[in-house]
Amino acid sequence: RKEVEQDPGPFNVPEGATVAFNCTYSNSASQSFFWYRQDCRKEPKLLMSVYSSGNEDGRFTAQLNRASQYISLLIRDSKLSDSATYLCVVKGGTSYGKLTFGQGTILTVHP
Amino acid sequence: DTGVSQDPRHKITKRGQNVTFRCDPISEHNRLYWYRQTLGQGPEFLTYFQNEAQLEKSRLLSDRFSAERPKGSFSTLEIQRTEQGDSAMYLCASSLYGDRSSTDTQYFGPGTRLTVL
Repeated sequence: RKEVEQDPGPFNVPEGATVAFNCTYSNSASQSFFWYRQDCRKEPKLLMSVYSSGNEDGRFTAQLNRASQYISLLIRDSKLSDSATYLCVVKGGTSYGKLTFGQGTILTVHP
Repeated sequence: DTGVSQDPRHKITKRGQNVTFRCDPISEHNRLYWYRQTLGQGPEFLTYFQNEAQLEKSRLLSDRFSAERPKGSFSTLEIQRTEQGDSAMYLCASSLYGDRSSTDTQYFGPGTRLTVL
């Protein structure tokens, strides 16, 4: 079983749609959680950290359920520029330095 | 540009050759990480340094791979006797660890794309 599992998609949505991505992680000792965004043939960039209380950044909302070991990302009012791969990432547990990435979920927003 | 830089951006080599990649982290960052990414997958951790000390190595890092950060600044990743399976994007990241004002966020460089023929 992979340490971090995501639905690879692809998700194809129209502009203005709301889309949700889910992720599960296997190591209950994981301490920090993130969503990174990766554009085609570019490096990953931090989109947002994820906290147990849930957090929001503009159109993006992230949630963490430690009991279920489940992380989510909700994008509201999708823009063409949101088209990218979204990577679910965890840190901690067996290692305090490395990030463990999911496979990534591909999102395409069309006009 | 004060971000993470990597050199070269692209490398094409023949099987059996040795290759070396360089990473220059963000200047005040004390941690430096190497990851490898293949098509359709997320990055996989290879190794990381805190200053000049190599603190962790993945089991993915075979004895053909070696990484150094001799002065705690830039780092090199060498692959000896390359194989076709080594073809991937090699990503470097850096972070500031231990500073009260830092979140230890890892910032990635643009990567070195290796193709082994």
